[in-house]
Amino acid sequence: DAGVIQSPRHEVTEMGQEVTLRCKPISGHNSLFWYRQTMMRGLELLIYFNNNVPIDDSGMPEDRFSAKMPNASFSTLKIQPSEPRDSAVYFCASTRGGGGNQPQHFGDGTRLSIL
Amino acid sequence: DAKTTQPNSMESNEEEPVHLPCNHSTISGTDYIHWYRQLPSQGPEYVIHGLTSNVNNRMASLAIAEDRKSSTLILHRATLRDAAVYYCILRVIPEYGNKLVFGAGTILRVKS
Repeated sequence: DAGVIQSPRHEVTEMGQEVTLRCKPISGHNSLFWYRQTMMRGLELLIYFNNNVPIDDSGMPEDRFSAKMPNASFSTLKIQPSEPRDSAVYFCASTRGGGGNQPQHFGDGTRLSIL
Repeated sequence: DAKTTQPNSMESNEEEPVHLPCNHSTISGTDYIHWYRQLPSQGPEYVIHGLTSNVNNRMASLAIAEDRKSSTLILHRATLRDAAVYYCILRVIPEYGNKLVFGAGTILRVKS
């Protein structure tokens, strides 16, 4: 079975540009999570969706960040405008079920560098 | 969220067992103990989870103290591929979703 698919794997762009990260969850999974990982702060949950509805976006750092899940098989995380401090690895994860102990399955991440 | 405490790093020899400790003294009765690991340049990977009883799967074993304030992840025979950051996480089960709060984890180095 295909795992969680993220694109692009690497992104290098200049400050001020819009950045869009994409995620395709595992088919049949109805919860999706966006995480960010930096050396300073480790792995942080940004937002998660259940059945395409955002449930908790308290981890989204500021209004420059937005996330959407238009359908069960696709989600985007957008940064506009981007800043150098947004440089990090962004992971998407999905899981089956909304309230149990199902494992989260992570993608390989998008390594984002903002110059 | 309840917090966990893990050693910053540990070292093991290949083919030997590894015991990775985790303290979670503020655990509540409904919090499950989950372990994930992150290999270099990859996303985290689920390892095992449990509530009260010890658990075994193909990857590892989880030993949970009787008072549940600590647990130990056991890798029975470490291989070079097991070198990773191991995260011990208390799983908070809200009405929706499954929130994972990652700490710093334990860096496991395996020597050949």
